[in-house]
Amino acid sequence: QVQLVESGGGVVQPGRSLRLSCAASGFAFSSYPINWVRQAPGKGLAWVASISNDGSNKYYADSVKGRFTISRDNSKNTLYLQLNGLRAEDTAVYYCAGGLHHFTNYVFDYWGRGTLVTVSS
Amino acid sequence: EIVLTQSPGTLSLFPGERATLSCRASQSVSSNYLGWYQQKPGQAPRLLIYGASNRAPGIPDRFRGGGSGTDFTLTISRLEPEDFAVYYCQQYGSSPLYTFGQGTKLEIK
Repeated sequence: QVQLVESGGGVVQPGRSLRLSCAASGFAFSSYPINWVRQAPGKGLAWVASISNDGSNKYYADSVKGRFTISRDNSKNTLYLQLNGLRAEDTAVYYCAGGLHHFTNYVFDYWGRGTLVTVSS
Repeated sequence: EIVLTQSPGTLSLFPGERATLSCRASQSVSSNYLGWYQQKPGQAPRLLIYGASNRAPGIPDRFRGGGSGTDFTLTISRLEPEDFAVYYCQQYGSSPLYTFGQGTKLEIK
């Protein structure tokens, strides 16, 4: 059974840093690209970052480029998101999500439950 | 950058009625790259449709996706109580890599 479990969220002051983790199980983690998607309170979904299966290619939304870093440790089946220079507008639930079937390369058919990041002084 | 615009913002219908949700892209999108999601309060999104018209595993056949180019639709043929939720379209592109529409809230009338 596929599971994606995010952790690491919390309340943080503006300008500070946080690292999110997503523990994956039930599938061949190292075979798939994987992504972070966020949702501000009461708002829609927004893609944040993606990483290729081997970690060699990384992609970011313009809103987080230069501040957030996506990475993965395939030996630990874990995805990370390092959030630096946090701003109030980064407040959101952060989801780990992936397309884990051969026919879902361009969509996200598995999602974690999310972890809430609140940026506030 | 491709922008996805969903309409209407809110759709109020009775159970048993037919719902038609629209997703319009600012530039042509390959049908292979278009998906639809359902999200209920406090839950993660759930994939309904991939490749514009293919139902994800376990999705009832009352959900149907269609369209091409810049205009895509999600149709729910006979609304069940559990279908009232927020629906998002999403596309895969070049920059940004993924884009979501702003969502359509389907509410019980």
